[in-house]
Amino acid sequence: SQKIEQNSEALNIQEGKTATLTCNYTNYSPAYLQWYRQDPGRGPVFLLLIRENEKEKRKERLKVTFDTTLKQSLFHITASQPADSATYLCALDIGSSASKIIFGSGTRLSIRP
Amino acid sequence: EAGVVQSPRYKIIEKKQPVAFWCNPISGHNTLYWYRQNLGQGPELLIRYENEEAVDDSQLPKDRFSAERLKGVDSTLKIQPAELGDSAVYLCASSLGGTGTGEETQYFGPGTRLLVL
Repeated sequence: SQKIEQNSEALNIQEGKTATLTCNYTNYSPAYLQWYRQDPGRGPVFLLLIRENEKEKRKERLKVTFDTTLKQSLFHITASQPADSATYLCALDIGSSASKIIFGSGTRLSIRP
Repeated sequence: EAGVVQSPRYKIIEKKQPVAFWCNPISGHNTLYWYRQNLGQGPELLIRYENEEAVDDSQLPKDRFSAERLKGVDSTLKIQPAELGDSAVYLCASSLGGTGTGEETQYFGPGTRLLVL
């Protein structure tokens, strides 16, 4: 069955450093992959989408890579700030003829001052 | 522009009671999703609508869960009867379109936190 693993249940990073979060998947070839941020008591908020034919996407301090051979996506936050502390979720569309979205369990990121 | 609206925000019920959740998606969004999120886990898709048609309900426990999206706008998710294991956050999301449309970004509501006693 399909599986998404987000390595590290929790990640603690010193402010100013680059945080790198990992999303690994098996068994499927997703049409695209998304990263979301979720704060406690709130719904996820969309950050970035990267398609299967794209290697890298950037948005301000965020960068996402997508390696379809390794079946892995990396999510980077450069110059991290305490306000970046949240849970980050990756989501795949594993559908073939129709969309089917599955989410990973998330990585809780803490940025310490 | 208003985001996805969900109500109620919190609900406490006893097991075997019915419960219903309501969702109003972003205006113009054709695709609507209901998710369940357990503590420490990612959202799990229950059902996806394209306009008023349920196109993926494979994860919806159909013995006790039902959903509808009349007129392709608002949607309700119902559980009857509720069980202890149904305690979770129920999230609604909407997007302009589905896969391949270029409009796959999902916008989530704040969720309804359900506690079944």
